[in-house]
Amino acid sequence: DAMVIQNPRYQVTQFGKPVTLSCSQTLNHNVMYWYQQKSSQAPKLLFHYYDKDFNNEADTPDNFQSRRPNTSFCFLDIRSPGLGDAAMYLCATSRDLTDVNIQYFGAGTRLSVL
Amino acid sequence: KQEVTQIPAALSVPEGENLVLNCSFTDSAIYNLQWFRQDPGKGLTSLLLIQSSQREQTSGRLNASLDKSSGRSTLYIAASQPGDSATYLCAVKGSNYQLIWGAGTKLIIKP
Repeated sequence: DAMVIQNPRYQVTQFGKPVTLSCSQTLNHNVMYWYQQKSSQAPKLLFHYYDKDFNNEADTPDNFQSRRPNTSFCFLDIRSPGLGDAAMYLCATSRDLTDVNIQYFGAGTRLSVL
Repeated sequence: KQEVTQIPAALSVPEGENLVLNCSFTDSAIYNLQWFRQDPGKGLTSLLLIQSSQREQTSGRLNASLDKSSGRSTLYIAASQPGDSATYLCAVKGSNYQLIWGAGTKLIIKP
């Protein structure tokens, strides 16, 4: 059974139209991560939550925001998607920050921007 | 700044062959190196984790080696099967919590 679930699997949005991607976990892990992965590129960490503490990577654009209303759910909000934001977005969890090597990944949401 | 490179970007081999995937990193001060498999629609799965003090790790037909001094790791796949077709990524862990990822090698095993 999937432990990290991302919805939707495919998302199409229009240029500039806000979009929200969802991630949920059944592992009760403290840490949730959001990665952006463009075609044939390495996953790029956007930010992570340790419990309710939000940690933004220095080079993550302001256009990207995140919410974690409870332990199980984490959302990625893209306020004004541009063509360059088309990518696969991966959510992952780990029990703790020291367990970064033991990350559980969702299947990803592929975002298209028209 | 740590950089991780995987060459080639894609590899196609006939079923049954043994093969080697390469990963190189620029800063030898790593805590560990990890190999992942990425299947379309299934996210990433960890295959092998090598601590900085280790030289290799084995799991079934997979063997990963680590040479910190030269900044290299290899993933050896024995007797390849069509089910091994996937993208293989390596990632290194430095002193902070982050994993630094390579872009991956897309492997196709031809029946």
